[in-house]
Amino acid sequence: ILNVEQSPQSLHVQEGDSTNFTCSFPSSNFYALHWYRWETAKSPEALFVMTLNGDEKKKGRISATLNTKEGYSYLYIKGSQPEDSATYLCAFTNDYKLSFGAGTTVTVRA
Amino acid sequence: EAQVTQNPRYLITVTGKKLTVTCSQNMNHEYMSWYRQDPGLGLRQIYYSMNVEVTDKGDVPEGYKVSRKEKRNFPLILESPSPNQTSLYFCASSSGQGWEQYFGPGTRLTVT
Repeated sequence: ILNVEQSPQSLHVQEGDSTNFTCSFPSSNFYALHWYRWETAKSPEALFVMTLNGDEKKKGRISATLNTKEGYSYLYIKGSQPEDSATYLCAFTNDYKLSFGAGTTVTVRA
Repeated sequence: EAQVTQNPRYLITVTGKKLTVTCSQNMNHEYMSWYRQDPGLGLRQIYYSMNVEVTDKGDVPEGYKVSRKEKRNFPLILESPSPNQTSLYFCASSSGQGWEQYFGPGTRLTVT
């Protein structure tokens, strides 16, 4: 079982503020790192899949960076809005399996 | 509409009574996977399939079986369910493990 850790487990952020959180994963035999957004009572939805060291991806106010040599990825939310409230999952793969972290639950207060 | 469907969405059953949860995708994806979600543990992969007739164990395969006879379908079989298999189950599909996963709506299973 691959050890994928996300921190913090949860965070609260004021509307309009920016925030970020991390995903750490094994640095050996890297293949891809996924980020998903999971709203309550819905299914996880893909945000990004990153494969190259130094990769940066952006979708609207959400962006992610990847460091495969040291085994971490950051997810950033700029100018948080209440609709950003969700659990954000990262998943690591080095062969055909996917190993997910336990997630970071973000609550945006209006 | 591109989608992954699962049935049933909710199921309450008793220990030892065999059950099957179906999963179907209409995106011609080669890679399909089953996960279970338990509080505080995140999603854990049960089984995955890289293509028709090609399946392999994920991190928590004990007590589960799968088959991939057709590209679009990937059923999850619990031959003798036990209470520790009470969980929320997700099926997902993608073009490969390095591509974004499309998740089904989830199946909430309770085994008493």
